[in-house]
Amino acid sequence: EVQLLESGGGLVQPGGSLRLSCAASGFTFSSYVMAWVRQAPGKGLRWVSTISVDGGATYYADSVKGRFTISRDNSKKTSYLQMNSVRAEDTAVYFCASSVPGSGSFDNWGQGALVTVSS
Amino acid sequence: EIVLTQSPGTLSLSPGERATLSCRTSQSVSSNYLAWYQQKPGQAPRLLIYGASSRATGISDRFSGSGSGTDFTLTISRLEPEDFAVYYCQQYDYSIRWTFGQGTKVEIK
Repeated sequence: EVQLLESGGGLVQPGGSLRLSCAASGFTFSSYVMAWVRQAPGKGLRWVSTISVDGGATYYADSVKGRFTISRDNSKKTSYLQMNSVRAEDTAVYFCASSVPGSGSFDNWGQGALVTVSS
Repeated sequence: EIVLTQSPGTLSLSPGERATLSCRTSQSVSSNYLAWYQQKPGQAPRLLIYGASSRATGISDRFSGSGSGTDFTLTISRLEPEDFAVYYCQQYDYSIRWTFGQGTKVEIK
């Protein structure tokens, strides 16, 4: 069974940092593109970042570029999202998702990790 | 940036009825990269349709996708109680961006 399990969410002050993790199981992690998608309370889905299968290419939404960093460790079957200089508008549930390379869609999702940015 | 506009915002229907959801894009997109997701309250999204018309693994044949260019449609042939949820369209473009529509809520009438 495919599973994606996010961890690391919580309360962080504006300007602070947080690292989210996404542990994968049940599929060949190193063959899948990994991404983060967020959902602010009561709002829709917004793509945040994507990383290639080998970690050599990363992509970011303009709203997080220069502040967030996506990475992966294929030996640990884990993807990460380092969030720096967070703002109130970064408050959201952050979903980890996997994607078949070249498909453009996200075929499996984790249950999400809530990040709240507040003083 | 390509903008996806979904309509209607809310669709009120009864079980057994047919649901037709629209997704329009601000620029022509490749059908290969248009997907639809279902999300229920408190849950993660679930991939329903990819490549505009291909059903994802385990998805009922009550769900079908169609369209090309800038106009895409998700049809649910006969609504079951478990189909009442929010539906999102999503596209991927060659500028290496993924974009979602704002969602259509299908609610019980």
